[in-house]
Amino acid sequence: QQQVKQSPQSLIVQKGGISIINCAYENTAFDYFPWYQQFPGKGPALLIAIRPDVSEKKEGRFTISFNKSAKQFSLHIMDSQPGDSATYFCAPTRSRKLTFGTGTRLQVTL
Amino acid sequence: DVKVTQSSRYLVKRTGEKVFLECVQDMDHENMFWYRQDPGLGLRLIYFSYDVKMKEKGDIPEGYSVSREKKERFSLILESASTNQTSMYLCASSLGVRATNEKLFFGSGTQLSVL
Repeated sequence: QQQVKQSPQSLIVQKGGISIINCAYENTAFDYFPWYQQFPGKGPALLIAIRPDVSEKKEGRFTISFNKSAKQFSLHIMDSQPGDSATYFCAPTRSRKLTFGTGTRLQVTL
Repeated sequence: DVKVTQSSRYLVKRTGEKVFLECVQDMDHENMFWYRQDPGLGLRLIYFSYDVKMKEKGDIPEGYSVSREKKERFSLILESASTNQTSMYLCASSLGVRATNEKLFFGSGTQLSVL
C-alpha cells in the first residue's frame, strides 16, 4: 500500500528550529488533508488540516503547505519546542476514510 | 470532549485463543474504526462501521471480524489469535455525515501480545 509516502522517518531539531515533514500521495480523489500528532501511550490527535481549495493554512506555530499539482503537502513547525517531540502522521482523506502515512518521529533537543 | 474508551491497555493471549477488544464512545458518533499500529507501517485500517449493525472491510481485514450492536460500542474480534497479530490496536470514532470534516477521535490503544 504505497498510496501515501511520508518523509523523513525520523527528525531531530534543536529548540527554536523549524521542523518540516512531507507527505506525497497518489490518489487525486483525496479531499481533506490532516496531520495527526501522537504522544507515547496515547492515540493520535488531529493537529491541523487543510482542504484542497487553499494552498496554506497556519495555526499558531503549525503550518500546512499544500501543492495540489505535485500531490504533496507538508507540515512546518516553527520555533520547535521540546513539547513538540512526538510522532506525526499525515492522513489524506476521502469519503470518511483516512489513509495514514508511516509516521515521522520528531525529537526536539534543548 | 469526546471520549473513546478501550477496555484494556495491555492484553496477553495465547495462539489460537479467541480475543475480544472492546471500544466505547460517548458522543453519539456515527462512524467507528479499528486500526492496528506497527512500527514503520503507520496505522492500517482493519474494519469500520458507519451505522449500527453495519460493517465494512478496511485494508487488512483477514483474521478479524467486528460487531456493532449498539451505536456507541464497536468490538474487534480475533477469531483465532496468531503471533503476527501482536500489535497496538487503536479504536477511533468520528461524527459522521453531519460533519464538514472527518476528524477522528482515538482511544489510547490496546497493546496485544500473542504468545
